[in-house]
Amino acid sequence: GQQLNQSPQSMFIQEGEDVSMNCTSSSIFNTWLWYKQEPGEGPVLLIALYKAGELTSNGRLTAQFGITRKDSFLNISASIPSDVGIYFCAGQGSGGSNYKLTFGKGTLLTVNP
Amino acid sequence: KAGVTQTPRYLIKTRGQQVTLSCSPISGHRSVSWYQQTPGQGLQFLFEYFSETQRNKGNFPGRFSGRQFSNSRSEMNVSTLELGDSALYLCASRVSVNTEAFFGQGTRLTVV
Repeated sequence: GQQLNQSPQSMFIQEGEDVSMNCTSSSIFNTWLWYKQEPGEGPVLLIALYKAGELTSNGRLTAQFGITRKDSFLNISASIPSDVGIYFCAGQGSGGSNYKLTFGKGTLLTVNP
Repeated sequence: KAGVTQTPRYLIKTRGQQVTLSCSPISGHRSVSWYQQTPGQGLQFLFEYFSETQRNKGNFPGRFSGRQFSNSRSEMNVSTLELGDSALYLCASRVSVNTEAFFGQGTRLTVV
C-alpha cells in the first residue's frame, strides 16, 4: 500500500526561527494536504495543493507540491508560540481506493518563546 | 457554516461491550471518512462513505463497521471492544471523494 514518510519527527525551535518539514511517498499523488493538530482537537486543514510544482501560501505558511508528485514541503516563517502542534501531511491519489487519504506520522513542533 | 460535529466527545467502555459513534458532516458534504488515531500508529484509515455507500475500507477487523444515512450523517460501530481499541476516532467530511477533507474534534474512546 501507499506509504508516506514525514520528517522530521519532531522539532524544537526558538521563536522567530523558520521551520521546514517534508513528506515523501512511494507512490504518485494528485493532491497533497497539510494539517495542524493541537492537543484534544481534530486536525485543521492548512493548505491544499493540487498540481505538481504548485507553491501555495497561507500567511506565514508556504507549501509546495513536488515536481515528481511524490513529495511535498511545508515551511513556516518567523515561528511564534501558537505554531506549536503536530503537523501532518496527507496525500491522495486518483481512482477507486486511491481516493482515500494517506497520512504521514506527523511532525511535532515545539516553539520556545 | 457549521463544521464537522462528532458525538460524544468522550466515552469510557468496558472490554467486550460495543460502541456507536456519530458524525454530522459539513452541510453539502456527501463524503464521510473515519480514522483511528493512536500515538503509536498515527492516523489510520477505517472507511469512507459516499451517498450511503462504502467506497473505501482500511485494514481493520470486521468488528469495525459503519454506515451513512440519506442526510449524509454517519455512524461508526465497534463491537466486542478490546483494550487496544482505545484511541481518538476522527471523522472527516468532504464535498466529494476527491476534494479536501475537514475533520471533526474527534471522540476519545477509552476501553477499560
